Amino acid sequence: GAGVSQSPRYKVTKRGQDVALRCDPISGHVSLYWYRQALGQGPEFLTYFNYEAQQDKSGLPNDRFSAERPEGSISTLTIQRTEQRDSAMYRCASSYGPPGQGRSGNTIYFGEGSWLTVV
Amino acid sequence: AQTVTQSQPEMSVQEAETVTLSCTYDTSESDYYLFWYKQPPSRQMILVIRQEAYKQQNATENRFSVNFQKAAKSFSLKISDSQLGDAAMYFCAYRSASGGSNYKLTFGKGTLLTVNP
Repeated sequence: GAGVSQSPRYKVTKRGQDVALRCDPISGHVSLYWYRQALGQGPEFLTYFNYEAQQDKSGLPNDRFSAERPEGSISTLTIQRTEQRDSAMYRCASSYGPPGQGRSGNTIYFGEGSWLTVV
Repeated sequence: AQTVTQSQPEMSVQEAETVTLSCTYDTSESDYYLFWYKQPPSRQMILVIRQEAYKQQNATENRFSVNFQKAAKSFSLKISDSQLGDAAMYFCAYRSASGGSNYKLTFGKGTLLTVNP
């Protein structure tokens, strides 16, 4: 696609429900990232995929959060048993190659984000 | 761990004037990248400008330029001839160029820029 596409754009869910957020990266991009951005804050790293391999999940807040990218393209971020503190914008990003490849580094392109509100 | 600090929560500028947004960072690394991202009301995240730490020359993109002071760990963004469309939240970000976590962007908390007509 032309850009990083995320769905849904807005999601309101009741506390305790599970939610799945989808990310469709730019075609051909092998690296995919998830970030979370609370209101009035900068984005914070959650997890990173290189192709289908989850290279780093150290930013996931707890075991209610998980992410997958089974075929190395579309990724899903799942939050189980949602809590009010999970309310935030969840941003997906992608880059053509692994960061650090080449001196210029690969530009990371962000999607427009999925707004999650837990009530 | 690296940290990025933006000490100005809000700034304002008159249309056509120049404004400078501040950013400082803390790192023990010598090779890294610095970025300024723009987040307009649409909530997109748009890359404005990028600086490689090994380059002494300050990056420039049209009306946007940076003042990169490596020793002082300072990376300010100057916007010249400000336009109404420049109004947005601006985030400074850091990324290591090597090592095991060179894929992570570390962001500051942002500076909200208002442009007055």
